[in-house]
Amino acid sequence: EVRLVESGGGLIQPGGSLRLSCAASGFTVSSNYMSWIRQAPGKGLEWVSVIYDGGRTYYADSVKGRFTILRDNSKNTVYLQMNSLRDEDTAVYYCARDPTVGYGMDVWGQGTTVTVSS
Amino acid sequence: EIVLTQSPATLSLSPGERATLSCRASQSVSSYLAWYQQKPGQVPRLLIYHASNRATGIPARFSGSGSGTDFTLTISGLEPEDFAVYYCQQRSNWPSLTFGGGTKVEIK
Repeated sequence: EVRLVESGGGLIQPGGSLRLSCAASGFTVSSNYMSWIRQAPGKGLEWVSVIYDGGRTYYADSVKGRFTILRDNSKNTVYLQMNSLRDEDTAVYYCARDPTVGYGMDVWGQGTTVTVSS
Repeated sequence: EIVLTQSPATLSLSPGERATLSCRASQSVSSYLAWYQQKPGQVPRLLIYHASNRATGIPARFSGSGSGTDFTLTISGLEPEDFAVYYCQQRSNWPSLTFGGGTKVEIK
């Protein structure tokens, strides 16, 4: 079964750090583009970051310089290292598989909640 | 950044009716547009890719059309499980894959 399972969310103070994990099963993360998308409470979807199959990484302007996307091929897992967290980073964070440019994000994890608050 | 504007924000319809959702891009995205459905408390699900192709397992009542800057998602005959929020996503301007603000289809 193709599946993504996120973990690592929680309550964190502004300025703090968290590392989210996205463990894949049923497919190989290093053969796909893997993205993180977030959804603030009551809001829409916002693309956050992507790691290409070749390893290149990209970020939304809102998180550039603060977030880092990583991949551990041996664990078939993608991570999102989040530093210098702000109130506006509060959201449900989803990871998603993105097989090709012309397709879409076809497998999503269940999401992990990050709450940034003092 | 390519901005996607979805309209209407909310669509109130009865089961069995036809739903027509619009997504307009600030510049041409060719046919690189996807649609997703998100039910309350659930994860987004890919419905349509490349503007008009149904993803695996998506019922035939869902159809997509358009190219360039104007796109439409049509649900022909709403089923109770179709009441949800629908998002479009442009896939032309990699890696910045922007989403529209969403259209909520609610029961009238």
